[in-house]
Amino acid sequence: DGGITQSPKYLFRKEGQNVTLSCEQNLNHDAMYWYRQDPGQGLRLIYYSQIVNDFQKGDIAEGYSVSREKKESFPLTVTSAQKNPTAFYLCASSPKTVVYGYTFGSGTRLTVV
Amino acid sequence: QKEVEQDPGPLSVPEGAIVSLNCTYSNSAFQYFMWYRQYSRKGPELLMYTYSSGNKEDGRFTAQVDKSSKYISLFIRDSQPSDSATYLCAMSVGGATNKLIFGTGTLLAVQP
Repeated sequence: DGGITQSPKYLFRKEGQNVTLSCEQNLNHDAMYWYRQDPGQGLRLIYYSQIVNDFQKGDIAEGYSVSREKKESFPLTVTSAQKNPTAFYLCASSPKTVVYGYTFGSGTRLTVV
Repeated sequence: QKEVEQDPGPLSVPEGAIVSLNCTYSNSAFQYFMWYRQYSRKGPELLMYTYSSGNKEDGRFTAQVDKSSKYISLFIRDSQPSDSATYLCAMSVGGATNKLIFGTGTLLAVQP
């Protein structure tokens, strides 16, 4: 079955540590996205990539970094510079032209302890 | 002003009620309109997709687009407790762009 896999489902991080969230898709989609979701704030775009080895900042990129070395993979690193990292993180993918929307992963819940 | 506005709710209805969820938007270039359903602690899943104006029906769900008013709606007939979720609208101008603009989501609770 084609889809997007995010791992882990739950992640705990100590303050001052970097942590990497995994996102893999087998839909052969060109574009991939990372969103952060907080209660009452909807989806906020962190980074997106439309092609391998290229990515752009979204609305809230500070404190985050990404890479896109393979079409299937778009990992997100939450760095110690991110002041309020506790949130639900969603990865999504789409073809080059969005006609039928994005396909989302099941999300990673990150908690800073 | 946000490009897409959506009432966050929460909206609570009794089982069997007809539910109306709405979004307004400001960009007249939007052509593709979607509704996503998101259960708690899960990723959003595409529920309905509509191109341009008009209605689209799928079982108990009807999506409606009124481009002249810049207003889209999702109707749920015979609502069930399993419909309890957050519903997000999303839209795109299409063409060469792949940017999807989301509403903030409406939390729906269907009481048994």
